[in-house]
Amino acid sequence: EDQVTQSPEALRLQEGESSSLNCSYTVSGLRGLFWYRQDPGKGPEFLFTLYSAGEEKEKERLKATLTKKESFLHITAPKPEDSATYLCAAVVSGTYKYIFGTGTRLKVLA
Amino acid sequence: SAVISQKPSRDICQRGTSLTIQCQVDSQVTMMFWYRQQPGQSLTLIATANQGSEATYESGFVIDKFPISRPNLTFSTLTVSNMSPEDSSIYLCSVETVDTEAFFGQGTRLTVV
Repeated sequence: EDQVTQSPEALRLQEGESSSLNCSYTVSGLRGLFWYRQDPGKGPEFLFTLYSAGEEKEKERLKATLTKKESFLHITAPKPEDSATYLCAAVVSGTYKYIFGTGTRLKVLA
Repeated sequence: SAVISQKPSRDICQRGTSLTIQCQVDSQVTMMFWYRQQPGQSLTLIATANQGSEATYESGFVIDKFPISRPNLTFSTLTVSNMSPEDSSIYLCSVETVDTEAFFGQGTRLTVV
């Protein structure tokens, strides 16, 4: 069964305290691995797409990496405005079906 | 990228009634999708809205409950029919661009009382 699991469920960091969020996936074939940020009451905001193991992408304080079984979202020196829920989704090969994880709720304290 | 406008942003409805949610995109897109996000849970795909043909529904979702229209490449509607409190959720429209990046609308927060 195609499945995506994110950990931890919730994370509290002090401002400047770097950390990583994990996204483990099991799919019959991977077309792409997507990361989104979701603020309360809003739709998910696109961050990154990763397509193959070893690929890395960066945007400001965020860096996403991909292996054959999992993806990491590294947050370097986070700020309070980085507080949000971070979602990952695996897209099955040959389909447009996005399988979402349940997200990691990140809280960055000033 | 794509800019998606979703209406209404929120609504409170009586059980047994229906609500139609609109999704407008600022450019033509091939793929449009409707998702549900129940409280405290992640996103679940309801259906793919196909232009000019019937929508493709995921397991657990049926056309009689969630009829979908897609009259052109920039617009789609989702109707939540004969609502019950269990339908209280956030409903999201999504599109995939030629760059294979998926973008989401702001969502419709539905409360059924």
